Amino acid sequence: AQSVTQLGSHVSVSEGALVLLRCNYSSSVPPYLFWYVQYPNQGLQLLLKYTSAATLVKGINGFEAEFKKSETSFHLTKPSAHMSDAAEYFCAVSDPNSSASKIIFGSGTRLSIRP
Amino acid sequence: GAGVSQTPSNKVTEKGKYVELRCDPISGHTALYWYRQSLGQGPEFLIYFQGTGAADDSGLPNDRFFAVRPEGSVSTLKIQRTERGDSAVYLCASSREGRNEQFFGPGTRLTVL
Repeated sequence: AQSVTQLGSHVSVSEGALVLLRCNYSSSVPPYLFWYVQYPNQGLQLLLKYTSAATLVKGINGFEAEFKKSETSFHLTKPSAHMSDAAEYFCAVSDPNSSASKIIFGSGTRLSIRP
Repeated sequence: GAGVSQTPSNKVTEKGKYVELRCDPISGHTALYWYRQSLGQGPEFLIYFQGTGAADDSGLPNDRFFAVRPEGSVSTLKIQRTERGDSAVYLCASSREGRNEQFFGPGTRLTVL
């Protein structure tokens, strides 16, 4: 069975500071991994995805994530936080052996940005 | 083009009532998914359709929940004898055939009083 664990339900950083949101996965096969963002009262939006190509994945809004098999991690980073980054972030995993399969989500990390 | 749409955006009902939630996927997307997001939690998978058939319904919590997609496009999630614990945001997503990227709708917030 696949699963993801997001460390820290709430992260607060100052505007301009580094953003680091942690995600560890469990999977019996190399998975597909995703980060989604959910702004207040809006739907989920895909930030980036890892599908077994480059281990460093760049996404929208300046975010990136690195797949580290040895650490079973897929942490999300952004060098400099903006106020507009305040949102809920979800790490997720799916089975790469299925062309269309369910996504398993973590419990989410709420990111707050201090002025 | 238009994204995934869901109606209604909000639904308030009384315990024991029947509700239907509708999802219109992106045109041409063959796969359609339903998820449920409870307060403070990540979305949980309910059911997935490939075309008209349910390819995986392992996430449906019990037999009060049922979903259909009769023409391979619009889908309806049906909940019978609603309970207060069914209160959540119900999300729909769709994807192209052979693609793993799912596009999500804005959700339907269901409140059972």
